[in-house]
Amino acid sequence: SQQGEEDPQALSIQEGENATMNCSYKTSINNLQWYRQNSGRGLVHLILIRSNKREKHSGRLRVTLDTSKKSSSLLITASRAADTASYFCATASNTGGFKTIFGAGTRLFVKA
Amino acid sequence: ETGVTQSPTHLIKTRGQQVTLRCSSQSGHNTVSWYQQALGQGPQFIFQYYREEENGRGNFPPRFSGLQFPNYSSELNVNALELDDSALYLCASSWEGAGTGELFFGEGSRLTVL
Repeated sequence: SQQGEEDPQALSIQEGENATMNCSYKTSINNLQWYRQNSGRGLVHLILIRSNKREKHSGRLRVTLDTSKKSSSLLITASRAADTASYFCATASNTGGFKTIFGAGTRLFVKA
Repeated sequence: ETGVTQSPTHLIKTRGQQVTLRCSSQSGHNTVSWYQQALGQGPQFIFQYYREEENGRGNFPPRFSGLQFPNYSSELNVNALELDDSALYLCASSWEGAGTGELFFGEGSRLTVL
């Protein structure tokens, strides 16, 4: 079963706009990660935020984490057509070795 | 590019058959995880192998089994294939010592069961 849910399921924006995706999870975690997947390809790791942090930046990416609400958000600023992909949040917990569990994903479409 | 390679990239089987999917880990990684991704869904955790031992399993029946070899490469075997097994199967390697669970994925093997 998947760890949580992402919202929205799909998002369509114009190039240059910001895209915000939200993720909720159910159990305690060591960290939360975001991955990107181009259509039918493997997933690529984007950013990781540890459970004792509230915010992290990497280039055009900004991730927030609220462990009290068990939720996270990914903000992509100044989006580009090349950002069109599916984005997945994933939680990692150390249960006799780290296990990384994924949400259902947000499909982002950036129109040029 | 992650350095994780999977084979075959595509394959077609019929119900009841058996399939073996293969994965070569990124150099230096000692852990392999397998995921099943149905169309339009997120990856579902099948199991993880660490130092040749199964180290956690998701909600998959015993007909899904795996192996990890001394060089940390891995196989996923599925017996008695069902139509619902049609999916993209993703292998991901990681280094347990990193303490993060960050995964490096291959491009996947797309299985179609007819």
